[in-house]
Amino acid sequence: VQLQESGPELVKPSETLSLTCAVSGYSITSGFYWGWIRQPPGKGLEWIGSIHHNGNTYYSSSLRSRVTISVDTSRNQFSLRLSSVTAADTAVYYCARQECSGGGCYPQYYYMDVWGKGTTVTVSS
Amino acid sequence: VLTQPPSVSGAPGQRVTITCTGSSSNIGAPYDVYWYHVLPGTAPKVVMYANTNRPSGVPDRFSGSKSDTSASLAITGLQAEDEGDYYCQSYDSSLSGWVFGGGTKLTVL
Repeated sequence: VQLQESGPELVKPSETLSLTCAVSGYSITSGFYWGWIRQPPGKGLEWIGSIHHNGNTYYSSSLRSRVTISVDTSRNQFSLRLSSVTAADTAVYYCARQECSGGGCYPQYYYMDVWGKGTTVTVSS
Repeated sequence: VLTQPPSVSGAPGQRVTITCTGSSSNIGAPYDVYWYHVLPGTAPKVVMYANTNRPSGVPDRFSGSKSDTSASLAITGLQAEDEGDYYCQSYDSSLSGWVFGGGTKLTVL
């Protein structure tokens, strides 16, 4: 399984950041959660949101008002849209597959087992 | 939500432990803890899943434990390749989402 992020490297303040994660080696509709995580410069990892293969979405409470994650099954990819960006949204953005580690596969048993290499997005005018 | 020490260090061959402290809405719920190793410019790699399980390819020098609202990642026989940042991760019922610790920088002296 391989994941590859793509999208603009530079986004202007107040605009919408859009990224896509292309999945190869596995059908996105076959299972798992598919998530987005970011790492601002000099800071730690931050979970942004995830989408289940059945379309259910989970979003970070701090970003929920600005985030949309969707799936394009025909292209076997999923996408992130983050609106009204500011400099604080500058980060390396990763997409990841979330595998179930057991326990009936409730959300609390999922973790990021396969990651993309990440893409750097800078918010600046 | 999950608290880690900013840094730990040890000499080659020594043992270090990285702690991850949470609360009753995550680790203490009790939800499982996962650990990731991040090197600059590379994608995170999971080194421990479901508290105590090592993925294939991770040396048995790595071990995990969990008790009440805390978890730990121990690394014995430290090697230079173990350097980097380590993050714990769990699920939080109050936030209805996944959470990461702030990260711990491991330095091999």
